[in-house]
Amino acid sequence: GQQLNQSPQSMFIQEGEDVSMNCTSSSIFNTWLWYKQEPGEGPVLLIALYKAGELTSNGRLTAQFGITRKDSFLNISASIPSDVGIYFCAGPTGANSKLTFGKGITLSVRP
Amino acid sequence: NAGVTQTPKFQVLKTGQSMTLQCAQDMNHEYMSWYRQDPGMGLRLIHYSVGAGITDQGEVPNGYNVSRSTTEDFPLRLLSAAPSQTSVYFCASSSPGNYGYTFGSGTRLTVV
Repeated sequence: GQQLNQSPQSMFIQEGEDVSMNCTSSSIFNTWLWYKQEPGEGPVLLIALYKAGELTSNGRLTAQFGITRKDSFLNISASIPSDVGIYFCAGPTGANSKLTFGKGITLSVRP
Repeated sequence: NAGVTQTPKFQVLKTGQSMTLQCAQDMNHEYMSWYRQDPGMGLRLIHYSVGAGITDQGEVPNGYNVSRSTTEDFPLRLLSAAPSQTSVYFCASSSPGNYGYTFGSGTRLTVV
């Protein structure tokens, strides 16, 4: 099946720094989604991208839908401690809104 | 605004025991899914449903059964628990064409 690749598994940054993470696939996706999971909770949708080349912001978060439709990027600017969590990319596979998730990147922010 | 409610939050089972993980949503969403989350593996789809009476298998369905008798509820049954089923289980729901899933807060299951 279609797979979404996220690496590295963990990232460690200093508070105030910007961080960028990407998600790649060998298959084309028509929609890219970014979710964040905080400890002890389920994932929450951050940004949805529906069009190749699209750039969308949500506060300090900016995500882009790659032109090839095989990748997407998430940038977090001026990180703060509450940005800690696992960031997943996801995309629909098959019919009926089934979502495939990447393995996630665990972000740690040092004060 | 309850959203997606999962019960129990924690459960310990002995190998071979059975149990049902409950999931209920109050948003009238047609689509519901069960995922399991394991360290380094991300979220893997177990089963999903596009409406009452309709279910289908996901990526890792073995050892799990589901049924969908109402729009609101989508229980996940483990008939004979195995240690390999130790995981965190998430239920999610959405509307058709909307990929913005709403997730529950998870059930942490340990099988000993």
